[in-house]
Amino acid sequence: NAGVMQNPRHLVRRRGQEARLRCSPMKGHSHVYWYRQLPEEGLKFMVYLQKENIIDESGMPKERFSAEFPKEGPSILRIQQVVRGDSAAYFCASSPLRAQNIQYFGAGTRLSVL
Amino acid sequence: DAKTTQPPSMDCAEGRAANLPCNHSTISGNEYVYWYRQIHSQGPQYIIHGLKNNETNEMASLIITEDRKSSTLILPHATLRDTAVYYCIVRVENTDKLIFGTGTRLQVFP
Repeated sequence: NAGVMQNPRHLVRRRGQEARLRCSPMKGHSHVYWYRQLPEEGLKFMVYLQKENIIDESGMPKERFSAEFPKEGPSILRIQQVVRGDSAAYFCASSPLRAQNIQYFGAGTRLSVL
Repeated sequence: DAKTTQPPSMDCAEGRAANLPCNHSTISGNEYVYWYRQIHSQGPQYIIHGLKNNETNEMASLIITEDRKSSTLILPHATLRDTAVYYCIVRVENTDKLIFGTGTRLQVFP
């Protein structure tokens, strides 16, 4: 059973470009969470999604950031018009329907904005 | 979610037990204690969780005081691969987000 898959592992963008981060949850998991980790800091919750629904986006910046988890395919975290402050590691986690309390994390995507 | 307090860093000799403390004096009755760890440059890894009874699994043991205001994660025989940042998190079961603090950086030395 494959774990949570994130790609790309590393992403370099210039200021003003768009970044798309993908997350495929573990098989059978229908809940996805995105977290951001700035250098030398702890992880910060961004958004929680179930299939086709955003459940909690209280940690998402109001502008430029969006997330989706379509019926088919991976969850996408999209950052428009990236700025240097967006440089961070972005982690995705998933959990099964009946055990939302344990989250299984992917290896992360490291975004560098030049 | 209740605030947790952990020492910023600890050292442990390889093969010895590592005891990582966590204070959560404002924990409420329906909040669980969870432990995750993050090995350098990797995603966090779930270790163990409990409500009020002590818990043990293949990775670690969790000791929760009777008043539930503090807990200790025990790695019985630490190895070099246990070097990581360990996060203690309290939350209500089946809520969504995990709130990570700054954790304890455990360094296991030979």
